[in-house]
Amino acid sequence: EPEVTQTPSHQVTQMGQEVILRCVPISNHLYFYWYRQILGQKVEFLVSFYNNEISEKSEIFDDQFSVERPDGSNFTLKIRSTKLEDSAMYFCAGGADDNEQFFGPGTRLTVL
Amino acid sequence: AQSVSQHNHHVILSEAASLELGCNYSYGGTVNLFWYVQYPGQHLQLLLKYFSGDPLVKGIKGFEAEFIKSKFSFNLRKPSVQWSDTAEYFCAVNGFSSGTYKYIFGTGTRLKVLA
Repeated sequence: EPEVTQTPSHQVTQMGQEVILRCVPISNHLYFYWYRQILGQKVEFLVSFYNNEISEKSEIFDDQFSVERPDGSNFTLKIRSTKLEDSAMYFCAGGADDNEQFFGPGTRLTVL
Repeated sequence: AQSVSQHNHHVILSEAASLELGCNYSYGGTVNLFWYVQYPGQHLQLLLKYFSGDPLVKGIKGFEAEFIKSKFSFNLRKPSVQWSDTAEYFCAVNGFSSGTYKYIFGTGTRLKVLA
């Protein structure tokens, strides 16, 4: 059964550096999402993406964040200048419609 | 304001005990309801979902949930838990807001099943 995949599984970076987290959704997915989960806290919605544009974003998703789907398969989340508080698990999700989502395994981002 | 509440943060049960995890939501309009499970070291997996129809929903691994609209609740149940059910369980609501669907997750309930 196809699954959503994410790379890398763990990313360690210095504060102020740019990171790009990658997600490969299942081929029939049209809707894409990023969430994060800070250690010990609840899952938080970051952004949804459909038809090559952001459909909704949360207050967390400020100018430091951006998403794109450059080649029609990978769905990326870029953090321009990482802060310590960006350390979290970042989950990508995809769905064939906007009523359900299949999650990837997550990327653990550690900002030092 | 839109919110999802899971009142039990930590639950410890012995094997074969029955389980019920509470979930209440506050969300105007039509909602879809989900329970996700996150096993230690693994990613989120969908346990079950409710969109419409029979309010008693059966999911994988013997789990079920009942949507009670009047109580804004979607409690998760399992008649007899196993050690392998040790995990964190998240209730989520998906509703239409500001022109698109958005997911809101509860804070999670950490379940530990003692062998």
